[in-house]
Amino acid sequence: NAGVTQTPKFQVLKTGQSMTLQCAQDMNHNSMYWYRQDPGMGLRLIYYSASEGTTDKGEVPNGYNVSRLNKREFSLRLESAAPSQTSVYFCASRDRIRAFFGQGTRLTVV
Amino acid sequence: EDKVVQSPLSLVVHEGDTVTLNCSYEVTNFRSLLWYKQEKKAPTFLFMLTSSGIEKKSGRLSSILDKKELFSILNITATQTGDSAIYLCAVESAGRTTSGTYKYIFGTGTRLKVLA
Repeated sequence: NAGVTQTPKFQVLKTGQSMTLQCAQDMNHNSMYWYRQDPGMGLRLIYYSASEGTTDKGEVPNGYNVSRLNKREFSLRLESAAPSQTSVYFCASRDRIRAFFGQGTRLTVV
Repeated sequence: EDKVVQSPLSLVVHEGDTVTLNCSYEVTNFRSLLWYKQEKKAPTFLFMLTSSGIEKKSGRLSSILDKKELFSILNITATQTGDSAIYLCAVESAGRTTSGTYKYIFGTGTRLKVLA
């Protein structure tokens, strides 16, 4: 059971570089989410998606874009990385009851 | 603005102690409240609560919701070192957007350390 799979697990970027974080789920869930987790800040919602082709902004969307490519995949793009985007990023999908999380991507922007 | 507040922020106890973690919330269109445990990586699901006054139990862990006072507690009895983790409270808001989905709003978490 793969569940929610994120790639990469670790990434170091230079300020101004771009990258895409990939997320895929194999549970046939409609809703998917991207969160970031910083020390003392809990999980903050970046973007979410109810279904293929739809996305909505969360609490902290600035500096990010997302694509819901199909039902399985939901990617997060940083167009021009900034040190303030250093964080651990979690992708999640949900069934009727709960959210299931990926193992996270630790991103450092120098 | 939707808000979820957890207390205490951190807690250190000894094995065998009982702990109570608190979660209060202010959200539009409350749908459910969830508790997660986060050790090294991904949060793992503990409980979902939707109705006031009904206790959910799983082994030494239990949780209850008070929808009138807008809070929930998570109790852990006879703590063990394996209970050391960050405990996250999340509230599901049914404030739908044009895309028609619900969102989870998380508190900052309570970091629990259990000493042997």
